Amino acid sequence: DAGITQSPRHKVTETGTPVTLRCHQTENHRYMYWYRQDPGHGLRLIHYSYGVKDTDKGEVSDGYSVSRSKTEDFLLTLESATSSQTSVYFCAISATGTNSPLHFGNGTRLTVT
Amino acid sequence: QQPVQSPQAVILREGEDAVINCSSSKALYSVHWYRQKHGEAPVFLMILLKGGEQKGHDKISASFNEKKQQSSLYLTASQLSYSGTYFCGTEIIREKLTFGTGTRLTIIP
Repeated sequence: DAGITQSPRHKVTETGTPVTLRCHQTENHRYMYWYRQDPGHGLRLIHYSYGVKDTDKGEVSDGYSVSRSKTEDFLLTLESATSSQTSVYFCAISATGTNSPLHFGNGTRLTVT
Repeated sequence: QQPVQSPQAVILREGEDAVINCSSSKALYSVHWYRQKHGEAPVFLMILLKGGEQKGHDKISASFNEKKQQSSLYLTASQLSYSGTYFCGTEIIREKLTFGTGTRLTIIP
């Protein structure tokens, strides 16, 4: 299995508070992705990174920011959490982008009350 | 730009075959297929790249019709372990994979 660790695995937070989710990989893969999964919507891309300090927006990026200062770490920050951001968040990595498999982490279940 | 998957759900008996379809309104660079079991992460099955190809391993295979902007996943002689939700991911914009809403497959003994 690809070495991907997401932390925390579960989090409950209040509306308006900042939240940071971490994705750590040991595969030295260039590409990293953040997806959210909600019933009826499948997986939706939030942001992705194609190298250290190189990131781009996905289809649902509003309210989220990311940072990648090292190859192995990709952080997702909710600046001011809202109830609509309650979801399961998956990090994924791939060696060469979308012409290679995406390997997903085990997910973070975030509840915003 | 989310791809459309069909059917949304299917129930099969062990040993039966299934086809899951994925269609896009725009031209595709690639199509990915993943399977997700309840409470787990999605797991990669296969990629089909632009050029119209068919791939397979074991009893799971897939085709990619570039002109029709469609892909199909074929599961033959289904096993209990095939149960789960299948997602196709389509690459319309380079490096951005957009997933469908999934097809839930249930295999009964």
